[in-house]
Amino acid sequence: AQRVTQPEKLLSVFKGAPVELKCNYSYSGSPELFWYVQYSRQRLQLLLRHISRESIKGFTADLNKGETSFHLKKPFAQEEDSAMYYCALTPYSGGYQKVTFGTGTKLQVIP
Amino acid sequence: KAGVTQTPRYLIKTRGQQVTLSCSPISGHRSVSWYQQTPGQGLQFLFEYFSETQRNKGNFPGRFSGRQFSNSRSEMNVSTLELGDSALYLCASSSAHGGTGELFFGEGSRLTVL
Repeated sequence: AQRVTQPEKLLSVFKGAPVELKCNYSYSGSPELFWYVQYSRQRLQLLLRHISRESIKGFTADLNKGETSFHLKKPFAQEEDSAMYYCALTPYSGGYQKVTFGTGTKLQVIP
Repeated sequence: KAGVTQTPRYLIKTRGQQVTLSCSPISGHRSVSWYQQTPGQGLQFLFEYFSETQRNKGNFPGRFSGRQFSNSRSEMNVSTLELGDSALYLCASSSAHGGTGELFFGEGSRLTVL
């Protein structure tokens, strides 16, 4: 069974400070990992996925298979980064696989 | 391109009643998945439909069911409502099946069970 753990329900940082949102997963095979974000009064939307290896809005995330982690990082937090962030996993094995989400971390950037 | 549309946006029911929620995916998307979102549990997968067939199901009781029509629109039904069914129900569509592609979410249907 696959599992995604986001240990922090709330993370408060000051504007300009570095941000790291933690995500750990449990899955025996090869996972595909995502970060989804929900800004206030907006829909849940994809922020980035590990296979793209992109930096979106200054955020990056590296898949660490040894530590089974996919932490989301940004060097300098902005007020507009305040949102709810969800880490998600799907098995990268083809067929019809369900997406498993973590419980989410609320990021609060203090001006 | 219109986004994922969910109706109704808000509804209030009493215990024992049933409810049907509707989801219209983005045009061209054949995969529709449903999630229950609660403050304590986050997003929990209910089921996914692709080409009118249920392809995957989460760990929810049989009171939760769904279907998909030939135009990819989907409905989910919850029978014999319980207080614990109060939640935001999110629908997501994708051009790929099985969670391998980006999920596009609707605004959700907020169900309150009294």
